[in-house]
Amino acid sequence: GQNIDQPTEMTATEGAIVQINCTYQTSGFNGLFWYQQHAGEAPTFLSYNVLDGLEEKGRFSSFLSRSKGYSYLLLKELQMKDSASYLCAVRYQGQTGANNLFFGTGTRLTVIP
Amino acid sequence: GAVVSQHPSRVICKSGTSVKIECRSLDFQATTMFWYRQFPKQSLMLMATSNEGSKATYEQGVEKDKFLINHASLTLSTLTVTSAHPEDSSFYICSVRSGQVNEQFFGPGTRLTVL
Repeated sequence: GQNIDQPTEMTATEGAIVQINCTYQTSGFNGLFWYQQHAGEAPTFLSYNVLDGLEEKGRFSSFLSRSKGYSYLLLKELQMKDSASYLCAVRYQGQTGANNLFFGTGTRLTVIP
Repeated sequence: GAVVSQHPSRVICKSGTSVKIECRSLDFQATTMFWYRQFPKQSLMLMATSNEGSKATYEQGVEKDKFLINHASLTLSTLTVTSAHPEDSSFYICSVRSGQVNEQFFGPGTRLTVL
């Protein structure tokens, strides 16, 4: 089976940097995704890691260590609009051989002035 | 990125009725679409994988006779919640995966409320 752990809530100040951690256990690992989800809306894609290391994309960076089953999402120069839930998801090979996404429960980030 | 639409965005129905939700991939042909369900403050849970021209693959614990999936074309998949009950009230989201890049795009979701 699959399991993902990430903090339930975090609070950070506008302009600051915040790191959201994610640890996972899965068989058939085939990549890790981070999504942003505002309340009542669908998730939007932020980043994808399949190899160890850091992927940088503007204000957002994501890191993966496959041996440790660990990833983090780093958000720089926080803006008020960054207040949202951040979902860590692992892609794994399902029963039919197809790749599926398993989502964590998300980290609700609140950015304060 | 891919554009995915869902209709309706919100539906309220009486217990015992059936509700159909449409998911369209607007800018590329999707042989595979995914249906997720999300209860308040919980994670997205994969319900089923919709395959164009063949039967959907359901996740363990999801009743295939209750949640009917039809993927009749490369741009349209439908999820029908049959004989809906209040416990089926949830946020239903469809998703398509782009074959070009490692991204999975989500529709805007459908909020179902069963009275």
